[in-house]
This record gives sequence, structure tokens and C-alpha cells, in this order.
Amino acid sequence: NAGVTQTPKFRVLKTGQSMTLLCAQDMNHEYMYWYRQDPGMGLRLIHYSVGEGTTAKGEVPDGYNVSRLKKQNFLLGLESAAPSQTSVYFCASSSNRGPDTQYFGPGTRLTVL
Amino acid sequence: GENVEQHPSTLSVQEGDSAVIKCTYSDSASNYFPWYKQELGKGPQLIIDIRSNVGEKKDQRIAVTLNKTAKHFSLHITETQPEDSAVYFCAASMGSSASKIIFGSGTRLSIRP
Repeated sequence: NAGVTQTPKFRVLKTGQSMTLLCAQDMNHEYMYWYRQDPGMGLRLIHYSVGEGTTAKGEVPDGYNVSRLKKQNFLLGLESAAPSQTSVYFCASSSNRGPDTQYFGPGTRLTVL
Repeated sequence: GENVEQHPSTLSVQEGDSAVIKCTYSDSASNYFPWYKQELGKGPQLIIDIRSNVGEKKDQRIAVTLNKTAKHFSLHITETQPEDSAVYFCAASMGSSASKIIFGSGTRLSIRP
């Protein structure tokens, strides 16, 4: 039981490049989330999903897209990376039993030059 | 919009002393209040949570109190130990939503030997 895993762990991009971050969970959770963490700003929700095939915008969605084609996977895409997207990205998942524990992955550190 | 304010941003206490972190929230419909601990290089991990029908909850050296009238909640760590050094985040559910929580900006707790 690996919990929540994220790939890659580190990535450096040039401005304008694209990339996809992969999140996978093996807990059969319905809900999945993508957050970004910046110094002094806590965790801010980018996009989330309440089930396979669904996605919704969070607090800071601009510049990102997501897809949830399989229940266990949640992908975060950057179509044209900008330096403002330099951050640490965390994926999380939770059950659908009401407000409940979110389980976080180890994070992806992304630098956009 | 909804927000969660957390204080202090940094806290240094002598080993064995107590530490208190305080949060306030804006949405009166919030009914779930988790606390997460984040160690260096890792994702946040739930340490304790409280729901709106309870005023206080304790788990060994950790306790959380909730004052719904004043819309604030606090984390109390007693008999602090070196392994308590980490960043702590409070959070509150967005309304009564089962799917989203909003995080405070974090408190970096250091335990002095």
C-alpha cells in the first residue's frame, strides 16, 4: 500500500515549455486534489476532482489543466510554463464520506527558468 | 471569500514546554477543522482534527480546541520534544462541503534543546 505517489520529484523547465505531473493513489479514494505550496502562503488549491471523469477549479486554477480519466490517477498539466509557476506541488486524496482526512503525496519541486 | 488566518508564523519553545498555535476562520458554515504537520521535504500529514459538534479533542500530547461563536480554533502541544519541530498548518472546510478545505499559512515550530 503506497498511499499517494507523485512523479516526477523534481523538474526544471524553461519558460514556455509544457509538462504533466502525475498523481496516483491506491486507497480507492473518490476525491483528489492538486495544491501548490509557496513560502508564507500555505497550500492553495489549484484543481480538484470528486470522482472519475470529473474536475473542478480551485482557488488558483489559471495556467493549469487537469484530467481524471482513471479513478486512481489525477494529472496536472502546464501548457506553457511561466516563472510564477515555480513552486512545490502536492497531490492529495480523500474518501467521499464527508469532510475527512486528506492524504498527501511527497510533492514535486518545479522550477521554471 | 473564505479564509483562514494562522498565528504565529514562527514559534520557538524550550524542550518540555508547551506550544500553542491559533487560527481563525471566516465561513460560519465550516464544520471540519484538521491540523497537519509537515516535516522537511515531505507532504503534510494529519495529526488531529475536530468537528463542529465538539469543543475539545485530545490525543496524547496534542489537543485542539474549537470556539464556534468566535470562529477560532487552537492547537496545543504539551511536553514538547525535538521531533515536534516542523511546520504546522490549520485548515477549515469550505462551508459544509465534503470535498474542500482551506489552509492557513503555516507555523514553523522549533524546539530548543
